[in-house]
Amino acid sequence: KAGVTQTPRYLIKTRGQQVTLSCSPISGHRSVSWYQQTPGQGLQFLFEYFSETQRNKGNFPGRFSGRQFSNSRSEMNVSTLELGDSALYLCASSLTAWREETQYFGPGTRLLVL
Amino acid sequence: DQQVKQNSPSLSVQEGRISILNCDYTNSMFDYFLWYKKYPAEGPTFLISISSIKDKNEDGRFTVFLNKSAKHLSLHIVPSQPGDSAVYFCAAWYTGNQFYFGTGTSLTVIP
Repeated sequence: KAGVTQTPRYLIKTRGQQVTLSCSPISGHRSVSWYQQTPGQGLQFLFEYFSETQRNKGNFPGRFSGRQFSNSRSEMNVSTLELGDSALYLCASSLTAWREETQYFGPGTRLLVL
Repeated sequence: DQQVKQNSPSLSVQEGRISILNCDYTNSMFDYFLWYKKYPAEGPTFLISISSIKDKNEDGRFTVFLNKSAKHLSLHIVPSQPGDSAVYFCAAWYTGNQFYFGTGTSLTVIP
């Protein structure tokens, strides 16, 4: 069974640009969550999508948005990039995101904003 | 506001000894707790979990302890092995399908 894949793995952008990251969940998984990992803050929840609907959202500005397609693949978009957006962005998939279910994480996309 | 905290950014332990990783939380509404392990260039992988109705859960070399009154969670690894060297994240679940993660503790097991 293929794992969670994320593309691209590495990205360099400049301030003010926008970026789109992609996540393909494990086949059959309908929930995709996005996290931002930075050295001082650990993993911070961005949002969770289930069956194409955003079900939950963390405390991030509106520049961070996402969507989920009918095949459960998800994209995350960050507009007007700031230096502080440099981080590892992880997505995780699970069947329904219920607490006892294991979340499976992708390898992440490392974004560097110059 | 960091609701789940791991106050030790790093820990070094001799091979064969016990590793104890700690985690504190502030929200008494959390009712499910997990530990994840992360190697460089890989995503976190699930290690062990515990429900708030329990105070201990064991899986092989890994045991998680929960002290609800102290809002404290710990992971014990016995015996520690070099392959256990990784970053460990604790996480807590809050109703609403959202996990809150700690900042991570980097464990180094010295051969």
